Amino acid sequence: DTGVSQDPRHKITKRGQNVTFRCDPISEHNRLYWYRQTLGQGPEFLTYFQNEAQLEKSRLLSDRFSAERPKGSFSTLEIQRTEQGDSAMYLCASSRLGQGSGEQYFGPGTRLTVT
Amino acid sequence: GQQLNQSPQSMFIQEGEDVSMNCTSSSIFNTWLWYKQDPGEGPVLLIALYKAGELTSNGRLTAQFGITRKDSFLNISASIPSDVGIYFCAGQLPGTASKLTFGTGTRLQVTL
Repeated sequence: DTGVSQDPRHKITKRGQNVTFRCDPISEHNRLYWYRQTLGQGPEFLTYFQNEAQLEKSRLLSDRFSAERPKGSFSTLEIQRTEQGDSAMYLCASSRLGQGSGEQYFGPGTRLTVT
Repeated sequence: GQQLNQSPQSMFIQEGEDVSMNCTSSSIFNTWLWYKQDPGEGPVLLIALYKAGELTSNGRLTAQFGITRKDSFLNISASIPSDVGIYFCAGQLPGTASKLTFGTGTRLQVTL
């Protein structure tokens, strides 16, 4: 069990640029989640997938954000036309279905800085 | 978005002391979880609780799912320097199989 991995770990971009982050969940986990965490706060839910289907999106996920999980394995989160307010840690988590499904395991996160 | 209330916000303790922190909500939760987060890293799952009244241990950590289902408690016994970090509670609301709602965090610092 290699755990959840995220790439890149850090991203610095200029305002107005597009960025894309990748998440690889634990291999046998069907569910994959994206959260955003700003300094001094707990993570906030953005969206989640069950297999390849995106089943819920938060109101935090503006039109500039899009997430995909095309084959039900890894996922990507894209932010278009980045704004300074997008600066945050973007966390990915995964969980299994059924018993223990409440247990979400997080990756190390991608720290985004928009200048 | 909604966040759970954690207390205390921060605490300084001496190595070897026991630590208690709690998490409260105005809503009922079906699942409570406790995570620890180190700077620049993702949260690490410590304990998961699924039933009201449940008491679960993981080494020196013990957590309880409150009877009212609106609170949870975490105790750390005989603290050591590596316990330093931010502890978050998180819960799942009934009818949601997905998102976790996180607390505001308790920052723990351990002095020798």
